[in-house]
Formats: sequence, structure tokens, C-alpha cells
Amino acid sequence: DIQMTQSPSSLSASVGDRVTITCQASQDISNYLNWYQQKPGKAPKLLIYDASNLETGVPSRFSGSGSGTDFTFTISSLQPEDIATYYCQQYDNLPTFGQGTRLEIK
Amino acid sequence: QVQLVQSGSELKKPGASVKVSCKASGYTFTSYAMNWVRQAPGQGLEWMGWINTNTGNPTYAQGFTGRFVFSLDTSVSTAYLQISSLKAEDTAVYYCARDRTAAAGLIDIWGQGTMVTVSS
Repeated sequence: DIQMTQSPSSLSASVGDRVTITCQASQDISNYLNWYQQKPGKAPKLLIYDASNLETGVPSRFSGSGSGTDFTFTISSLQPEDIATYYCQQYDNLPTFGQGTRLEIK
Repeated sequence: QVQLVQSGSELKKPGASVKVSCKASGYTFTSYAMNWVRQAPGQGLEWMGWINTNTGNPTYAQGFTGRFVFSLDTSVSTAYLQISSLKAEDTAVYYCARDRTAAAGLIDIWGQGTMVTVSS
């Protein structure tokens, strides 16, 4: 299985801050990397697919980049409604998720 | 609109079986694969496998073989997850989730989740 390592595991930031989460794959996955947002008690929601493509309807403050083994997810200006846990997920092989990053407001 | 509606919460005793349903609407059911994802309490997401809704052929992730069975009823656009010989460690929220790609990968629509609690 391809292992996905996210960092940090938790993060506290202020409204308006730029927030960055990284995800590293245990082997080259090209750009087969998605990012999901999960709010407490809710199902995950697709934000970014194929490393850098913004899903329809998702605010443009969310972005993704990277290829190969190293990927980055960014929120350009943190909003209160962005409080959630974020997961990366690869699908170069059978899908696997990162362990998640819990984002809190400072 | 496109949506997946799952069956309600279940409370089962160890050793029993449970069958979770996932009804799709708003799109052609057999055009998209269906994934199943588990989330234990307070834990992350774990991909269980997927089923080709055109052929009915399932693929199971490691750790989800034997007691876990994916099935379909295409006449009612519904996917099912059956778990037999339930154990306490099966307590989790189970999600069905549509796959945008031809094989397992790009999960774009999620059901609301079904909580399965296994307790004596």
C-alpha cells in the first residue's frame, strides 16, 4: 500500500492567516492526489482533485499543488467556516488517506 | 441533485450481521463506481474498497476481506455493505461514496454516513 503522511496533525491559526498543510506519498503518485474537508459530524467534501484542480463550487481561497511524492494544500485567508479536519488521499494505486490535519481557530 | 442517502444507525450485538444501504439519485447509477469508507470514532478515514456498478465486481482493501461484502440492486440504484460476525472494533461510521473515475479513486459525492455500534 502507498502510505500518505500529512503534517501537521493539528494546526491553530487566526482568521485571515495563510494556512498550509503538506502531504507526502511513500512513492511517486504523479498527480493522483485529492484533498477533502470534513466538518464535525459531517461527511467529507471534495475540495481539490488531481493535486491542483478546484472542485466546482469550492471557494478560490483553497488551492493545491505538487506532483510525484510531495503535495501542498493552502488556504489563502482562513475563514471561521474553514474549521475542519483536512485529509489528503492518493489514487495512483488502491486509495489511501492521510491521517488528517485538524484545523482550529486561534 | 446528485445525492447518496444511507440507511439509519444500527446497534448490533457481537456476532450478528448488519446490512447498510446506500440509495443513489440524480445520476445514472451504473455509470459510476461506488466506494465504501470507514471512520472509527475519533479516527481518520479508511478506504474499504469499491464495487463496479456496471459489472457488480467488488474490490476489497486489505483488512476488509471475508466478513465484508459489497452488493448492488441496480433496479433501485442502491448499493449495500454487509458485515457479518460483527466485532466491537467494527463500531464506526460507514460511508458510501461515488467515484468519478472508472476505477477507485476520485471520490466526489458522499453519503451522510451510517453509524454502526457493536455492543453487548
